[in-house]
Amino acid sequence: GAGVSQTPSNKVTEKGKYVELRCDPISGHTALYWYRQSLGQGPEFLIYFQGTGAADDSGLPNDRFFAVRPEGSVSTLKIQRTERGDSAVYLCASSLRGTSSYNEQFFGPGTRLTVL
Amino acid sequence: AQSVTQPDIHITVSEGASLELRCNYSYGATPYLFWYVQSPGQGLQLLLKYFSGDTLVQGIKGFEAEFKRSQSSFNLRKPSVHWSDAAEYFCAVGPSGAGSYQLTFGKGTKLSVIP
Repeated sequence: GAGVSQTPSNKVTEKGKYVELRCDPISGHTALYWYRQSLGQGPEFLIYFQGTGAADDSGLPNDRFFAVRPEGSVSTLKIQRTERGDSAVYLCASSLRGTSSYNEQFFGPGTRLTVL
Repeated sequence: AQSVTQPDIHITVSEGASLELRCNYSYGATPYLFWYVQSPGQGLQLLLKYFSGDTLVQGIKGFEAEFKRSQSSFNLRKPSVHWSDAAEYFCAVGPSGAGSYQLTFGKGTKLSVIP
């Protein structure tokens, strides 16, 4: 079956601009996660959705970052007033349920964001 | 707080040689442990996981890992490396128990394979 998909695969923007990154999880997966992977680092947790609601947004670095999942499927990560330090690969993952890390997280290929 | 250390940033091995990638974790109880592989342009793929029971776990692509509680380690091994194994490998820890889902990743080890 289809895995997690993310669009665009690459995004180049200018400092100060607004960007949206999209994630399509595996069908039927209720839990969705966003991670950020900076150069030379492992993925870092940003936010977790269970269904439509953000159950945990403790990893969002500041209020310029926001994510939605209005229908409990597709999610969009939104970044306002982008800064050069936001440049990274943004990874999305989904799992059948999210009640425990026991539930395997399946990752998408990521969106590489470059802020000039 | 949980943390993961992968001491080796880059490892080069010859094709056919054995491989061991090191991973040390910090967590207050017995964690859930994972190894993921990331090839260029690809998402993270789960190689294997440890939740409980037998401390030697088998994964896909001929990989195995051993959980050693006394050393807080979960090293990944493969007896004979193939050129297609060249990729970046990430160890991750997840809290055990319900309501805990955040994975914490190490910084990764890049594996290069010499033909």
